Amino acid sequence: DQQVKQNSPSLSVQEGRISILNCDYTNSMFDYFLWYKKYPAEGPTFLISISSIKDKNEDGRFTVFLNKSAKHLSLHIVPSQPGDSAVYFCAANSGTYKYIFGTGTRLKVLA
Amino acid sequence: SQTIHQWPATLVQPVGSPLSLECTVEGTSNPNLYWYRQAAGRGLQLLFYSVGIGQISSEVPQNLSASRPQDRQFILSSKKLLLSDSGFYLCAWSTGGGEGYTFGSGTRLTVV
Repeated sequence: DQQVKQNSPSLSVQEGRISILNCDYTNSMFDYFLWYKKYPAEGPTFLISISSIKDKNEDGRFTVFLNKSAKHLSLHIVPSQPGDSAVYFCAANSGTYKYIFGTGTRLKVLA
Repeated sequence: SQTIHQWPATLVQPVGSPLSLECTVEGTSNPNLYWYRQAAGRGLQLLFYSVGIGQISSEVPQNLSASRPQDRQFILSSKKLLLSDSGFYLCAWSTGGGEGYTFGSGTRLTVV
C-alpha cells in the first residue's frame, strides 16, 4: 500500500517557467512533510518542509503548498533553472521515527 | 558539524556472495539510523532503522540484515546475494525530532 504517491514520473519545463510537482498521501495522521532533491548517483538532499499547521512555506524559488482536506501537497519552483533538473521526492511523517517516501518525479528543465 | 560516510560507492558482486555495506556518522551522538534502497524506476524503500545500539527494526522481509555495533555505525549485510538485491542503497541519519534525514552519498550495488 503506497501511502505517499507521486503520480507523475516525469516532468519537462522550459527554463524560466514554473515547475509544479505534486504529491498525494492517504494517511491523515501525517503531520510533517518534506521535499528532497536527488541527482544521479548521489544521496537525496533536503529542500523544503511544511508542517500540517501551515498551508504554505517559502524558501527562495521554492514554495510548498499543503491542502490537508485533499491530502495533497505540491512543490512550486519559480523560475525553473537547468540546475533544478533532478528527481524530486516528497516524504511524510506522522511523528514516528520514519518517513514514508513517494516514488519520485524526474524534472527536466530545458534551456 | 555532522557528517555521514557511506562506502563503497559502487560494488559489483556475484549471485550468492556475501555483502557488507558500512555507514558511519560523525559529529552527533545517539542518532537514528536508516537504510533505504532505491531500485531502478522505483522510489525510496525503507529497509531498516535503528534508534540505538543493537536495536534494529526491519520494514520488509528480505534477504538482507542490519546491525548497529556502535552508536554511530550501521551495517547492512547479506549472507547470499540475489539478483533482486541490485539497487542504490542509502544510509541516513536523523536526531529523531521529525525534521527529516541527512543522507549519505549512496552505494550502487549490482549483483551479476
